[in-house]
Amino acid sequence: DQQVKQNSPSLSVQEGRISILNCDYTNSMFDYFLWYKKYPAEGPTFLISISSIKDKNEDGRFTVFLNKSAKHLSLHIVPSQPGDSAVYFCAASTTTDSWGKLQFGAGTQVVVTP
Amino acid sequence: DAGITQSPRYKITETGRQVTLMCHQTWSHSYMFWYRQDLGHGLRLIYYSAAADITDKGEVPDGYVVSRSKTENFPLTLESATRSQTSVYFCASELNGELFFGEGSRLTVL
Repeated sequence: DQQVKQNSPSLSVQEGRISILNCDYTNSMFDYFLWYKKYPAEGPTFLISISSIKDKNEDGRFTVFLNKSAKHLSLHIVPSQPGDSAVYFCAASTTTDSWGKLQFGAGTQVVVTP
Repeated sequence: DAGITQSPRYKITETGRQVTLMCHQTWSHSYMFWYRQDLGHGLRLIYYSAAADITDKGEVPDGYVVSRSKTENFPLTLESATRSQTSVYFCASELNGELFFGEGSRLTVL
Protein backbone atom coordinates (compact mmCIF):
# COMPACT_ATOMS: atom_id res chain seq x y z
CA ASP A 1 0.00 0.00 0.00
CA GLN A 2 1.46 3.32 -1.06
CA GLN A 3 2.23 5.52 1.92
CA VAL A 4 2.94 8.59 -0.20
CA LYS A 5 0.38 9.63 -2.77
CA GLN A 6 0.43 12.19 -5.53
CA ASN A 7 -3.09 12.13 -6.85
CA SER A 8 -2.52 14.40 -9.83
CA PRO A 9 -0.54 12.57 -12.51
CA SER A 10 -0.20 15.72 -14.58
CA LEU A 11 -0.38 19.48 -14.36
CA SER A 12 -0.33 22.08 -17.11
CA VAL A 13 0.47 25.69 -16.24
CA GLN A 14 1.23 28.83 -18.16
CA GLU A 15 4.66 30.36 -17.99
CA GLY A 16 4.83 32.97 -15.24
CA ARG A 17 1.94 31.51 -13.26
CA ILE A 18 2.10 29.47 -10.07
CA SER A 19 2.43 25.67 -10.12
CA ILE A 20 1.04 23.87 -7.08
CA LEU A 21 1.86 20.20 -6.62
CA ASN A 22 0.21 18.21 -3.89
CA CYS A 23 1.26 15.18 -1.89
CA ASP A 24 -0.47 13.21 0.85
CA TYR A 25 1.01 10.64 3.19
CA THR A 26 -0.45 8.08 5.55
CA ASN A 27 2.45 7.17 7.83
CA SER A 28 2.52 9.49 10.86
CA MET A 29 6.10 8.38 11.57
CA PHE A 30 7.40 10.28 8.54
CA ASP A 31 9.33 13.31 9.71
CA TYR A 32 11.35 14.36 6.71
CA PHE A 33 9.95 15.20 3.29
CA LEU A 34 11.63 15.89 -0.01
CA TRP A 35 10.79 16.84 -3.56
CA TYR A 36 12.77 15.50 -6.48
CA LYS A 37 12.64 16.66 -10.06
CA LYS A 38 13.22 14.36 -13.02
CA TYR A 39 13.84 15.11 -16.65
CA PRO A 40 13.48 12.37 -19.30
CA ALA A 41 16.44 9.99 -19.55
CA GLU A 42 18.02 11.47 -16.43
CA GLY A 43 18.06 10.49 -12.78
CA PRO A 44 15.96 12.40 -10.25
CA THR A 45 17.64 15.42 -8.69
CA PHE A 46 16.97 16.87 -5.28
CA LEU A 47 14.89 20.02 -5.26
CA ILE A 48 13.87 20.97 -1.75
CA SER A 49 13.14 19.37 1.60
CA ILE A 50 11.35 20.08 4.85
CA SER A 51 11.59 18.68 8.33
CA SER A 52 8.45 17.97 10.32
CA ILE A 53 9.44 20.65 12.85
CA LYS A 54 8.77 23.28 10.19
CA ASP A 55 5.68 24.13 8.21
CA LYS A 56 7.37 26.01 5.39
CA ASN A 57 10.68 26.01 3.59
CA GLU A 58 11.61 28.32 0.77
CA ASP A 59 14.40 28.19 -1.78
CA GLY A 60 14.20 30.77 -4.52
CA ARG A 61 11.14 30.10 -6.66
CA PHE A 62 10.34 26.89 -4.78
CA THR A 63 8.42 26.70 -1.51
CA VAL A 64 7.29 23.58 0.28
CA PHE A 65 4.46 23.70 2.78
CA LEU A 66 3.79 20.99 5.34
CA ASN A 67 0.49 20.44 7.13
CA LYS A 68 1.16 17.67 9.62
CA SER A 69 -2.37 17.44 10.95
CA ALA A 70 -3.67 16.84 7.44
CA LYS A 71 -0.66 14.71 6.46
CA HIS A 72 -0.30 16.88 3.41
CA LEU A 73 2.48 18.77 1.74
CA SER A 74 2.61 20.92 -1.32
CA LEU A 75 5.25 22.39 -3.58
CA HIS A 76 4.73 25.86 -5.01
CA ILE A 77 6.74 27.06 -7.99
CA VAL A 78 6.50 30.79 -8.60
CA PRO A 79 6.85 31.92 -11.30
CA SER A 80 6.79 28.78 -13.44
CA GLN A 81 9.33 28.61 -16.25
CA PRO A 82 9.58 26.33 -19.30
CA GLY A 83 12.62 24.63 -17.74
CA ASP A 84 10.39 23.51 -14.88
CA SER A 85 8.66 21.05 -17.21
CA ALA A 86 9.55 17.72 -15.62
CA VAL A 87 8.20 14.97 -13.40
CA TYR A 88 8.14 15.89 -9.72
CA PHE A 89 8.30 13.22 -7.05
CA CYS A 90 7.31 13.72 -3.46
CA ALA A 91 9.23 11.53 -0.99
CA ALA A 92 9.17 10.90 2.74
CA SER A 93 11.29 9.18 5.32
CA THR A 94 11.72 8.69 9.03
CA THR A 95 14.99 10.10 10.30
CA THR A 96 15.30 7.24 12.73
CA ASP A 97 15.53 4.93 9.75
CA SER A 98 18.42 4.74 7.36
CA TRP A 99 18.99 7.87 5.37
CA GLY A 100 17.93 7.40 1.77
CA LYS A 101 15.21 4.85 2.51
CA LEU A 102 12.61 7.01 0.93
CA GLN A 103 8.99 6.33 0.13
CA PHE A 104 8.15 8.01 -3.15
CA GLY A 105 4.88 9.11 -4.63
CA ALA A 106 3.98 8.17 -8.19
CA GLY A 107 5.02 11.57 -9.53
CA THR A 108 3.33 14.53 -11.19
CA GLN A 109 4.21 15.50 -14.76
CA VAL A 110 4.37 19.29 -15.01
CA VAL A 111 4.15 20.99 -18.38
CA VAL A 112 4.82 24.72 -18.51
CA THR A 113 3.39 26.29 -21.64
CA PRO A 114 4.53 29.62 -23.15
CA ASP B 1 33.22 13.10 -14.18
CA ALA B 2 32.38 12.71 -10.53
CA GLY B 3 29.11 11.14 -9.54
CA ILE B 4 27.12 7.98 -10.04
CA THR B 5 27.67 5.95 -13.19
CA GLN B 6 25.31 3.18 -14.23
CA SER B 7 25.84 0.58 -16.93
CA PRO B 8 24.42 -0.52 -19.20
CA ARG B 9 22.03 2.36 -19.87
CA TYR B 10 19.81 0.11 -21.96
CA LYS B 11 19.45 -3.65 -21.90
CA ILE B 12 17.10 -6.11 -23.56
CA THR B 13 17.11 -9.66 -22.29
CA GLU B 14 14.96 -12.75 -22.27
CA THR B 15 13.00 -14.37 -19.49
CA GLY B 16 15.18 -16.61 -17.38
CA ARG B 17 18.49 -14.94 -18.20
CA GLN B 18 20.79 -13.49 -15.58
CA VAL B 19 21.39 -9.76 -15.81
CA THR B 20 23.72 -7.55 -13.79
CA LEU B 21 23.34 -3.81 -13.61
CA MET B 22 26.46 -1.99 -12.53
CA CYS B 23 26.71 1.07 -10.34
CA HIS B 24 29.85 3.02 -9.54
CA GLN B 25 30.33 6.16 -7.46
CA THR B 26 33.35 8.42 -7.55
CA TRP B 27 32.65 9.79 -4.08
CA SER B 28 33.05 7.67 -0.94
CA HIS B 29 29.46 7.86 0.24
CA SER B 30 28.67 5.11 2.71
CA TYR B 31 25.08 4.48 1.72
CA MET B 32 24.05 3.26 -1.71
CA PHE B 33 20.63 2.30 -3.00
CA TRP B 34 18.86 0.60 -5.86
CA TYR B 35 15.41 1.86 -6.84
CA ARG B 36 13.13 0.84 -9.67
CA GLN B 37 10.75 3.24 -11.36
CA ASP B 38 7.44 2.01 -12.71
CA LEU B 39 4.48 3.99 -14.00
CA GLY B 40 1.98 4.55 -11.24
CA HIS B 41 4.40 3.51 -8.51
CA GLY B 42 7.07 6.15 -8.50
CA LEU B 43 10.38 4.82 -7.25
CA ARG B 44 10.53 1.78 -5.02
CA LEU B 45 13.53 0.67 -3.02
CA ILE B 46 14.94 -2.73 -3.95
CA TYR B 47 18.08 -3.02 -1.83
CA TYR B 48 20.43 -0.71 -0.02
CA SER B 49 23.85 -0.86 1.52
CA ALA B 50 25.21 1.00 4.52
CA ALA B 51 28.86 0.17 3.78
CA ALA B 52 31.03 -2.43 2.11
CA ASP B 53 29.76 -5.93 2.88
CA ILE B 54 26.61 -4.58 4.56
CA THR B 55 23.39 -4.85 2.54
CA ASP B 56 19.72 -4.99 3.39
CA LYS B 57 16.39 -5.47 1.70
CA GLY B 58 14.12 -2.64 0.69
CA GLU B 59 10.49 -2.68 -0.28
CA VAL B 60 10.67 -4.95 -3.36
CA PRO B 61 13.74 -7.23 -3.06
CA ASP B 62 12.35 -10.48 -4.48
CA GLY B 63 14.20 -11.69 -7.56
CA TYR B 64 17.22 -9.46 -6.97
CA VAL B 65 20.65 -9.97 -5.46
CA VAL B 66 23.20 -7.32 -4.51
CA SER B 67 26.76 -7.26 -3.33
CA ARG B 68 29.13 -4.58 -2.13
CA SER B 69 32.70 -5.76 -1.94
CA LYS B 70 34.02 -2.23 -2.47
CA THR B 71 32.58 1.05 -1.25
CA GLU B 72 32.40 2.51 -4.74
CA ASN B 73 30.55 -0.35 -6.47
CA PHE B 74 27.06 -1.69 -5.88
CA PRO B 75 25.94 -4.14 -8.60
CA LEU B 76 22.37 -5.39 -8.85
CA THR B 77 21.78 -8.88 -10.27
CA LEU B 78 18.58 -10.37 -11.56
CA GLU B 79 19.34 -14.07 -11.26
CA SER B 80 16.50 -15.20 -13.53
CA ALA B 81 14.81 -12.25 -15.19
CA THR B 82 11.04 -12.08 -15.42
CA ARG B 83 8.82 -9.79 -17.49
CA SER B 84 7.66 -8.04 -14.32
CA GLN B 85 11.23 -6.84 -13.85
CA THR B 86 10.99 -4.70 -16.96
CA SER B 87 11.63 -1.29 -15.48
CA VAL B 88 14.00 1.63 -15.18
CA TYR B 89 16.55 1.04 -12.44
CA PHE B 90 18.22 3.86 -10.57
CA CYS B 91 21.26 3.60 -8.38
CA ALA B 92 21.86 6.30 -5.79
CA SER B 93 24.22 7.27 -3.03
CA GLU B 94 23.38 9.35 0.01
CA LEU B 95 25.03 12.24 1.77
CA ASN B 96 23.43 14.24 4.60
CA GLY B 97 19.95 12.98 3.82
CA GLU B 98 20.10 13.80 0.13
CA LEU B 99 20.12 11.12 -2.56
CA PHE B 100 22.28 11.48 -5.65
CA PHE B 101 20.95 9.37 -8.51
CA GLY B 102 22.57 7.90 -11.56
CA GLU B 103 21.02 8.34 -14.98
CA GLY B 104 19.23 5.02 -14.83
CA SER B 105 19.33 1.66 -16.61
CA ARG B 106 16.32 0.80 -18.74
CA LEU B 107 15.81 -2.98 -18.72
CA THR B 108 13.36 -4.79 -20.96
CA VAL B 109 12.67 -8.47 -20.32
CA LEU B 110 11.05 -10.24 -23.26
